Amino acid sequence: GAVVSQHPSWVICKSGTSVKIECRSLDFQATTMFWYRQFPKQSLMLMATSNEGSKATYEQGVEKDKFLINHASLTLSTLTVTSAHPEDSSFYICSAAGRTSYEQYFGPGTRLTVT
Amino acid sequence: DAKTTQPPSMDCAEGRAANLPCNHSTISGNEYVYWYRQIHSQGPQYIIHGLKNNETNEMASLIITEDRKSSTLILPHATLRDTAVYYCIVRGYLTNRDDKIIFGKGTRLHILP
Repeated sequence: GAVVSQHPSWVICKSGTSVKIECRSLDFQATTMFWYRQFPKQSLMLMATSNEGSKATYEQGVEKDKFLINHASLTLSTLTVTSAHPEDSSFYICSAAGRTSYEQYFGPGTRLTVT
Repeated sequence: DAKTTQPPSMDCAEGRAANLPCNHSTISGNEYVYWYRQIHSQGPQYIIHGLKNNETNEMASLIITEDRKSSTLILPHATLRDTAVYYCIVRGYLTNRDDKIIFGKGTRLHILP
């Protein structure tokens, strides 16, 4: 199956700083990418949907000014957590879907810890 | 909100078939049933999907009832590596850019040695 990578796999940052997480589709063109957040022992929660070349669509309750999403190319989407706080500590997972694919391929996730 | 209902947890003996049920009574005619699993601290892994016919691949079988209101994922010979949270999801075929995967709480499957 198709491969989606995320970088970094884990990151620790200080409160108030910004963190960028990259999501790449390695062997296919991802017209749509999705960003999820998962707290311990909970399910994945969809944060936003990103179509290449368009502004991201955020789910209700997700602050678009805090979680900046850029999908500038068909193989790369980035999520920037701005002015991170300890409550933003979570497991962030991206997924990607191609133009003709019925499957959505998930990345391995990025664990963010804000101290 | 998730459109599916699953038991929160299940146990299965290693080597036996694991049968994971899912209810999706409000599924619409153009929606598919997808199954994903998530091993601890990893991203979800696609398992199988189907519309109305039973499906089988190298990982599992998917049995969908005739009325499509429920389905069962079958892992024919469970191993310890199958211990994971299994998510049953109902969604469109990604023909619409808004077809997104909404995760419910899933079933935590424990494979017992």
